[in-house]
Amino acid sequence: GENVEQHPSTLSVQEGDSAVIKCTYSDSASNYFPWYKQELGKRPQLIIDIRSNVGEKKDQRIAVTLNKTAKHFSLHITETQPEDSAVYFCAARGFSGSARQLTFGSGTQLTVLP
Amino acid sequence: DADVTQTPRNRITKTGKRIMLECSQTKGHDRMYWYRQDPGLGLRLIYYSFDVKDINKGEISDGYSVSRQAQAKFSLSLESAIPNQTALYFCATSRDSTYQPQHFGDGTRLSIL
Repeated sequence: GENVEQHPSTLSVQEGDSAVIKCTYSDSASNYFPWYKQELGKRPQLIIDIRSNVGEKKDQRIAVTLNKTAKHFSLHITETQPEDSAVYFCAARGFSGSARQLTFGSGTQLTVLP
Repeated sequence: DADVTQTPRNRITKTGKRIMLECSQTKGHDRMYWYRQDPGLGLRLIYYSFDVKDINKGEISDGYSVSRQAQAKFSLSLESAIPNQTALYFCATSRDSTYQPQHFGDGTRLSIL
């Protein structure tokens, strides 16, 4: 089945700096890659997603890039703010059988220092 | 607003007890999921259901069972709880499409003593 690795596990940045979180996946047939943000004590919420036929997608300060050849995708947050502090999860969805379900990375705790 | 509701939000129980966690949704989604969240391990899939008659095991189904009572209701049971099932449990729903994201409930924090 699909395996998703996420790095780093913790990340601290100064307010206003950029943050980058990287994920790799194992199933070359995976075709959908969402990112979720989970604030302390809250439910995971979708912040951005990308399909396999797209290389990059942006939404204001957030962007995701996908490299299908290398089987990795990244979340980029620019001009970070304290409210960006949270745990971020990447996920990948395969193409067939049980791999059609989302497999999540282990999460990155992002702390934005004022 | 349409939502995913989990009950109870917190539960403390003893080893060997049978426990049921409930999930209901008003989003009108066909697909429902149960996940377990442990620190440093992300979200792991326990069971998923594409409709009332379709239930499938996920990555970590041992020790768990589910029931899809209706399109809007999906329950998770621990037949005989053990301490290593202490975790945060999330229910999620999605539309019936490859590119649709999952929408999560607020979670149930379960502690087994």
